[in-house]
Amino acid sequence: AQSVTQLDSQVPVFEEAPVELRCNYSSSVSVYLFWYVQYPNQGLQLLLKYLSGSTLVESINGFEAEFNKSQTSFHLRKPSVHISDTAEYFCAVSTQGGSEKLVFGKGTKLTVNP
Amino acid sequence: DAGVTQSPTHLIKTRGQQVTLRCSPKSGHDTVSWYQQALGQGPQFIFQYYEEEERQRGNFPDRFSGHQFPNYSSELNVNALLLGDSALYLCASSLPGVHGYTFGSGTRLTVV
Repeated sequence: AQSVTQLDSQVPVFEEAPVELRCNYSSSVSVYLFWYVQYPNQGLQLLLKYLSGSTLVESINGFEAEFNKSQTSFHLRKPSVHISDTAEYFCAVSTQGGSEKLVFGKGTKLTVNP
Repeated sequence: DAGVTQSPTHLIKTRGQQVTLRCSPKSGHDTVSWYQQALGQGPQFIFQYYEEEERQRGNFPDRFSGHQFPNYSSELNVNALLLGDSALYLCASSLPGVHGYTFGSGTRLTVV
């Protein structure tokens, strides 16, 4: 079975500051990794994913995440955040060769203050 | 291009009642999955439907059942509602072998 641990339930930062949201996973088989974002009263939107290849993946809005197999981590980073980045962020895994079922962490609430 | 559509957006039910939630997948997607998101938690996988069959099921009791129709739309049924069933129910669609769902905005179910 897989599990995901998001180490911080809440992360407050000031606008234009850098941010890192931490994610660690546990799995006995190879996995795919995802970050989803959820704005208030909305569903989840896929932010970025790692399937294979380069361990550094980027999103169109400036976020990036790096897959570290030895540390079983997939931390999400942004060098300069905006007020509009305020949302809940979920890390998730699925097993390679599986049915694409996602196992989610409990989420990290990112609050960007002016 | 419409994304995943869920209905209703909100509903309130009494303990012991039954409820049906509906989902229309994104155009071209033939696989539908349902997730339950309790307050302050990450989504938990309920089940997945493909070709009108339940393909995989999470750790949910038999009170939770589903259906997929020939047009790929899907229903989630919950019988004998408990207070603990109060949650946001998310529908997600995908294509087989394509990793990364498209989620709907969810149905907020409150059981009183």
